[in-house]
Amino acid sequence: DAGVIQSPRHEVTEMGQEVTLRCKPISGHNSLFWYRQTMMRGLELLIYFNNNVPIDDSGMPEDRFSAKMPNASFSTLKIQPSEPRDSAVYFCASSLEGGSYEQYFGPGTRLTVT
Amino acid sequence: GDSVTQMEGPVTLSEEAFLTINCTYTATGYPSLFWYVQYPGEGLQLLLKATKADDKGSNKGFEATYRKETTSFHLEKGSVQVSDSAVYFCALSDRGGGNKLTFGTGTQLKVEL
Repeated sequence: DAGVIQSPRHEVTEMGQEVTLRCKPISGHNSLFWYRQTMMRGLELLIYFNNNVPIDDSGMPEDRFSAKMPNASFSTLKIQPSEPRDSAVYFCASSLEGGSYEQYFGPGTRLTVT
Repeated sequence: GDSVTQMEGPVTLSEEAFLTINCTYTATGYPSLFWYVQYPGEGLQLLLKATKADDKGSNKGFEATYRKETTSFHLEKGSVQVSDSAVYFCALSDRGGGNKLTFGTGTQLKVEL
């Protein structure tokens, strides 16, 4: 069974450009989480969805960040415009609400904004 | 709010040494507790979990016991290997908070020959 799939694995872009990160959760999971990991700030929860509905977006750093989940098998995290301080590894994770609450992480997207 | 406190790293050990990584938590309700591991260049993977007081989670030689009286979930392994070098995260999931996990800051483990 495929795990959580993220694309691209690496993204290098220039400041001011739009960046879109993609995630496909594990089939049947109904919760999806976006995290950001940096050396300085560690692992931060940005937003999470239950049944495609955003539940908590208090971790989204500012209006430049937006996330959508149009259906149960796909989510995007968009940064527009991107800035060098957005450079980080972005992880997507999914889980089954009502199960054992464990989350399954994707391999991450390493974003570099120059 | 919920919080998890882990010991500072990095922790450097020789192969076959005994490992303890301390984790304490603060939470309302009755959380489930987790240890995740992150190998270099990869995402986090669930290592073990415990869902109620006195439960012991175990996997790959690692163990942790849910201690409600001391609000702790310390990770232990009797004999570490070089391949155990990774970052270890303690986390809790409060049943009142949906599937959201609260993570500790992570502890880096380096095992040397």
